[in-house]
Amino acid sequence: QKEVEQNSGPLSVPEGAIASLNCTYSDRGSQSFFWYRQYSGKSPELIMFIYSNGDKEDGRFTAQLNKASQYVSLLIRDSQPSDSATYLCAVSPWDYKLSFGAGTTVTVRA
Amino acid sequence: GAGVSQSPSNKVTEKGKDVELRCDPISGHTALYWYRQSLGQGLEFLIYFQGNSAPDKSGLPSDRFSAERTGGSVSTLTIQRTQQEDSAVYLCASSFNRVGEGLGGYTFGSGTRLTVV
Repeated sequence: QKEVEQNSGPLSVPEGAIASLNCTYSDRGSQSFFWYRQYSGKSPELIMFIYSNGDKEDGRFTAQLNKASQYVSLLIRDSQPSDSATYLCAVSPWDYKLSFGAGTTVTVRA
Repeated sequence: GAGVSQSPSNKVTEKGKDVELRCDPISGHTALYWYRQSLGQGLEFLIYFQGNSAPDKSGLPSDRFSAERTGGSVSTLTIQRTQQEDSAVYLCASSFNRVGEGLGGYTFGSGTRLTVV
């Protein structure tokens, strides 16, 4: 079983819609959870992090964490073509090392 | 510096040659990480540095891979006798490592694209 699992996609959404990305993880002791965005040919950039159960909102992005279900999600509201990228879920079971999922590719069609 | 700097940005080498990849982390970041990303794949952890020490080298794929960090700053990843399967993008990241407070997230460099021909 992979440590961090994501649907590979591609996830295609119309402009202005909500994109919903899901991630599950295997280590119940995980403490920190991150979403990175990676444009084609570029390095990952951090867009959200969450440590506590519940929702965390930042602009058009909302991260949701449910530790009991070992599930973390990312919602992108009012999706724009510039949101087209691969989104990587990352989990920290320890204090230093992130384990990454393989990523979900999102395409926002105008 | 303002960000994590990696060099070279691209490297083409012949099979069997040695290569060195350099990473200059954000000033003041004590933790430094090397990952690699093969085409269409996720990020594979290679090694973690805290200061000049490497408490976790578990991701290095073989003894052809080694890394060092000096002065708590610049790190070099060396691959000896390169093979075609070493072709990938090698990413360096750094962070403040607040032990006990959880991880604040990495900042990645722009990567080195290594092609072994």
